[in-house]
Amino acid sequence: KAGVTQTPRYLIKTRGQQVTLSCSPISGHRSVSWYQQTPGQGLQFLFEYFSETQRNKGNFPGRFSGRQFSNSRSEMNVSTLELGDSALYLCASSLNKNEQFFGPGTRLTVL
Amino acid sequence: DAKTTQPTSMDCAEGRAANLPCNHSTISGNEYVYWYRQIHSQGPQYIIHGLKNNETNEMASLIITEDRKSSTLILPHATLRDTAVYYCIVRVLTGNQFYFGTGTSLTVIP
Repeated sequence: KAGVTQTPRYLIKTRGQQVTLSCSPISGHRSVSWYQQTPGQGLQFLFEYFSETQRNKGNFPGRFSGRQFSNSRSEMNVSTLELGDSALYLCASSLNKNEQFFGPGTRLTVL
Repeated sequence: DAKTTQPTSMDCAEGRAANLPCNHSTISGNEYVYWYRQIHSQGPQYIIHGLKNNETNEMASLIITEDRKSSTLILPHATLRDTAVYYCIVRVLTGNQFYFGTGTSLTVIP
């Protein structure tokens, strides 16, 4: 089975712009979660989608949003980018609630 | 919020067992203990999880104390490729989010 894929792998944006990141889960997995990883804050949970519905949400501002499509693929969007949004954004998919399988991440740099 | 305490860093000689401790003194009865690791700049990788019994798989063993307030991840024969940050996480299965702490940076030394 192919693993979780994320595109793009690297991205450079400037302050004020918006960005959309994509995640394709493992085939058959209906849950997709997003995490932000920074050197200062570590790995932080953003939100989780299941069957096209947001099921859980972390403590992030409304500039961070996401959605999930009927084929379970998910996108996350960050609007009005700030320098502090520079991070590794990780997507994880799961079949059940036992374990999550992480993708390689998208490295976002905001200049 | 992370509910675990781990040492910041540890070293282990190649070929020896690596024992990574984790404190989770406020764990609830329905919370599981999970271990993930993250090799530099890659996504975290699942290692093992357990509720109260000791668990073993092809990667590692998980020893949970009887009071469940602490656990130890054991890599029986550490290799250089085991150098990574190891995260101990407690979670309930009703929620699908994982709260990662700061983890332990394990360095396997030749």
